[in-house]
Amino acid sequence: DAKTTQPNSMESNEEEPVHLPCNHSTISGTDYIHWYRQLPSQGPEYVIHGLTSNVNNRMASLAIAEDRKSSTLILHRATLRDAAVYYCILGLPNAGGTSYGKLTFGQGTILTVHP
Amino acid sequence: DSGVTQTPKHLITATGQRVTLRCSPRSGDLSVYWYQQSLDQGLQFLIHYYNGEERAKGNILERFSAQQFPDLHSELNLSSLELGDSALYFCASSVSPMDTQYFGPGTRLTVL
Repeated sequence: DAKTTQPNSMESNEEEPVHLPCNHSTISGTDYIHWYRQLPSQGPEYVIHGLTSNVNNRMASLAIAEDRKSSTLILHRATLRDAAVYYCILGLPNAGGTSYGKLTFGQGTILTVHP
Repeated sequence: DSGVTQTPKHLITATGQRVTLRCSPRSGDLSVYWYQQSLDQGLQFLIHYYNGEERAKGNILERFSAQQFPDLHSELNLSSLELGDSALYFCASSVSPMDTQYFGPGTRLTVL
């Protein structure tokens, strides 16, 4: 599985933008970039995903570098509810083998949001 | 609320025992996945079923088994439990293996 590197932790103030980086220098051409987050005492929650172009949804934006070796999850205005562990994951769709449908979680980035 | 339900929420049992964790996927989802989250190993993929058939296996112990039933709900069976099996067990579902996975709230297993 291609590896991702994220900072262990980041801090932000409420209502400020947050940029969460992810490095994935060994990404393959067919790997999608997915972001999930896990709020305290909850299961992981899908945030956003993309392949090559930048993506926006109601939760966040995903900026993907032109060479696809890195990406940034952007929370435009952080709220206290955004405090969570954010995971950057490569893969899906995969075809065949034991990686079919599997999400490989790393350690993620712990985001702390200050009031 | 993701639409994925898991029962029970908490389970406390003793070493050597056997337990069954249950997962009901979102309506219309054919894929069900099981993950284990422990303090030292993080979130680890265990197994994936699609429409009743096993599709992928992770580092699932031989003492663990799973199945997906015709109504698409899934059960994870853990036997000969050890202290190290204490963890959060999450179920996720998706329409197909290539789609976004939606996670349930988890079952917290404590083995004493």
